[in-house]
Amino acid sequence: DIVLTQSPDSLAVSLGERATINCKSSQNIFYSSDNDNYLAWYQQKPGQPPKLLISWASTRESGVPDRFSGSGSGTDFTLTISSLQAEDVAVYYCQQSYGSPTFGQGTKVEVK
Amino acid sequence: EVQLVQSGGGLIQPGGSLRLSCVAPGFIFSGSDFNWIRQAPGKGLEWLSYINVRSETIHYADSVKGRFTVSRDNAKSSLYLQMNSLRAEDTAVYYCARDICSGRRCYYDRWGQGTLVTVSS
Repeated sequence: DIVLTQSPDSLAVSLGERATINCKSSQNIFYSSDNDNYLAWYQQKPGQPPKLLISWASTRESGVPDRFSGSGSGTDFTLTISSLQAEDVAVYYCQQSYGSPTFGQGTKVEVK
Repeated sequence: EVQLVQSGGGLIQPGGSLRLSCVAPGFIFSGSDFNWIRQAPGKGLEWLSYINVRSETIHYADSVKGRFTVSRDNAKSSLYLQMNSLRAEDTAVYYCARDICSGRRCYYDRWGQGTLVTVSS
């Protein structure tokens, strides 16, 4: 199975500041035939199911604020929250679907 | 917004069986592939199973292969997960989730509210 390793495990960011979460894949998850990276990002708040934020590494889902952005290719990916808001406090997961789907271990984002 | 409604969780003894259900509005269910995903208490997410629209393509994680069976009834807009030979390590919140792709496993844009399965004597 493809292993996704997120870093850091947790981070505290001041409101209005940037938060950056990294996701490293144990193998290349870029499909050259599709020209796509098979990676998504989710946000999960306590007691709620995950919410899909970004698919194909950088495509923001409808209704997701533009302060959320995804980047990267191949094995290294990043989720950036450009200006942290109080409602962004959550655990964030990356997920790959290049092979049998797997998730990263999660990154907890808090307000400093 | 949660548009998939789950039922069927609860407390079950090791070795027992349980069936989870997930009902979706017809406009969501029809034409969509679905997955089951679980989350052990305080832990991360684990994909378990995938089923396509006509139940022609089914996949399982190794951790549940041979014990869990996914199925769907398109006439009832319902998805199921039959869980047999349950173990303590199967204790988790189980989610059904719609796949955004058709015909292959991708990402999950609609989720059920989750149902807790506790395996304990």
